[in-house]
Amino acid sequence: DGGITQSPKYLFRKEGQNVTLSCEQNLNHDAMYWYRQDPGQGLRLIYYSQIVNDFQKGDIAEGYSVSREKKESFPLTVTSAQKNPTAFYLCASSPLAGGYNEQFFGPGTRLTVL
Amino acid sequence: GQNIDQPTEMTATEGAIVQINCTYQTSGFNGLFWYQQHAGEAPTFLSYNVLDGLEEKGRFSSFLSRSKGYSYLLLKELQMKDSASYLCAVVDSNYQLIWGAGTKLIIKP
Repeated sequence: DGGITQSPKYLFRKEGQNVTLSCEQNLNHDAMYWYRQDPGQGLRLIYYSQIVNDFQKGDIAEGYSVSREKKESFPLTVTSAQKNPTAFYLCASSPLAGGYNEQFFGPGTRLTVL
Repeated sequence: GQNIDQPTEMTATEGAIVQINCTYQTSGFNGLFWYQQHAGEAPTFLSYNVLDGLEEKGRFSSFLSRSKGYSYLLLKELQMKDSASYLCAVVDSNYQLIWGAGTKLIIKP
């Protein structure tokens, strides 16, 4: 079955530690995205990638980093510089770049920083 | 600034009809999406409107008026499984998605 996987579902980390969230897709999509979702707010774009070895900052990139070494993988690192990292993180992909393309979402990772 | 407004929460009865509204003020417009998101799960695509009018897809319909900056999602014959959040998102002039905060729909028997 084609789709997007994120792991783990739940993640706990101590304050000051970096943590990497996994996102893998086997849909052969060019574009991939990372969003953050907080209660009562819309999805906020952290980073996106339109093609391998290229990525762009979204609206709230500070304190995060990404890589796109393979088409199917787009891991997100939450660094200790992120002031309030506890949130629900969603990875998405679309066949091509451009917001008018339907995005397919992974199941999400809920990160809690203690 | 760019802004999308949706009601925070709505309640409806099983078997009834509900309309969820979305108004937007964005820099340009290149389409509007509706997604459904069950609690703790991934959003899933419902509809995409780029031209004015009503598009029907089974029990769900979506309407767009570009001149009014307005869309609604109409859900008919409500089922308990329709209890979820409904997210409105607009594609702006830079082809970026701007997301609303979502409307939590509660279905009562």
